[in-house]
Amino acid sequence: GAVVSQHPSRVICKSGTSVKIECRSLDFQATTMFWYRQFPKQSLMLMATSNEGSKATYEQGVEKDKFLINHASLTLSTLTVTSAHPEDSSFYICSASRDAGTDTQYFGPGTRLTVL
Amino acid sequence: GQQLNQSPQSMFIQEGEDVSMNCTSSSIFNTWLWYKQDPGEGPVLLIALYKAGELTSNGRLTAQFGITRKDSFLNISASIPSDVGIYFCAGLAKGTYKYIFGTGTRLKVLA
Repeated sequence: GAVVSQHPSRVICKSGTSVKIECRSLDFQATTMFWYRQFPKQSLMLMATSNEGSKATYEQGVEKDKFLINHASLTLSTLTVTSAHPEDSSFYICSASRDAGTDTQYFGPGTRLTVL
Repeated sequence: GQQLNQSPQSMFIQEGEDVSMNCTSSSIFNTWLWYKQDPGEGPVLLIALYKAGELTSNGRLTAQFGITRKDSFLNISASIPSDVGIYFCAGLAKGTYKYIFGTGTRLKVLA
């Protein structure tokens, strides 16, 4: 149990376009999902926390208008990178939790975004 | 953001050897998690710890929740080549919902 999927696994896009990444909890309901960004050889950097049915909470320094997060259901959260630029190229990973604050986080396999 | 100190940062070991790594914090945590991340993949949960002093095993892996609640340890016995990867600790403080992640320990196993 506790399987989280992400789609797509890899995406290459042109500068200026928008990219949507999906995160799904396949066998449990996730009240909270987290979006992380990871640079090469570095740890995970939390970007935002999303709760089902409410607005996402963004970490300091993360532009909410650039990284749009929607948590439409208990099994799906999406991250949209708007007007992508080469500096947005990174590894984006989501995680899901049944109950943030008490439950563990289960990670998706990640999405490699390359902006040309 | 805040990060936990993990030690060592990286290590090369011979196949069959035991491995120890630790994670320390200046804050008290109620939960400690240990993850392994392979290149190009998301972290996979190895062990979860919920009580101070708790010692939990998962196959060849054993993790402990430090008595002070400010540290945690992960041991891998009889390492094999597939143990290669980056190991992250993560801690959750009481009253919070965001895990703080360690800086990672990069493990390389020499066959």
